[in-house]
Amino acid sequence: AQSVTQPDIHITVSEGASLELRCNYSYGATPYLFWYVQSPGQGLQLLLKYFSGDTLVQGIKGFEAEFKRSQSSFNLRKPSVHWSDAAEYFCAVGAKTGANNLFFGTGTRLTVIP
Amino acid sequence: ETGVTQSPTHLIKTRGQQVTLRCSSQSGHNTVSWYQQALGQGPQFIFQYYREEENGRGNFPPRFSGLQFPNYSSELNVNALELDDSALYLCASSLGASGRFADTQYFGPGTRLTVL
Repeated sequence: AQSVTQPDIHITVSEGASLELRCNYSYGATPYLFWYVQSPGQGLQLLLKYFSGDTLVQGIKGFEAEFKRSQSSFNLRKPSVHWSDAAEYFCAVGAKTGANNLFFGTGTRLTVIP
Repeated sequence: ETGVTQSPTHLIKTRGQQVTLRCSSQSGHNTVSWYQQALGQGPQFIFQYYREEENGRGNFPPRFSGLQFPNYSSELNVNALELDDSALYLCASSLGASGRFADTQYFGPGTRLTVL
């Protein structure tokens, strides 16, 4: 069965600092992986996705993520955080059989301090 | 903006009541999925509809049911509400046919349901 672990419940970074949010997944084959961001009162916005090919994926808003099969990880990074990046971030894995539903982690809340 | 809308924004019900939540997908999107997001948790898959038929279901009881209409709108119905049903309910639309796992899901802003 698919599962996603986001070990960090809450992360605080200073504006301008670099960011890395961790995501580990469990899946029987090469997964489809996603990062979504959720601002208060908003739905989920897709930041980036990995299906195959280049393991370093570029997304919107300056985010990138790297798929590491050996570590079952798909960590999200940003070189310089902006105050507007404060939000909840969710990693998700896509099922390969049946419906194309997503399995989400429990999220990491990002706080950005001036 | 994703082009996916949901109504109402907020809803308060009492235990045992029934509720209907609505979603309007992007035009041309044949697939709609519904998720439940409890406070402090990630979204959990409830079910998915493709061309008006249920296409997959998560670990939710039958009192959670849905409908999808030809005009790209859909409903989530919950009967016999329980306190634990209090959550944010998200719908997501995608182009995908069954098995097209690469299709991106576009999420609406959600409906916040409170059961008292």
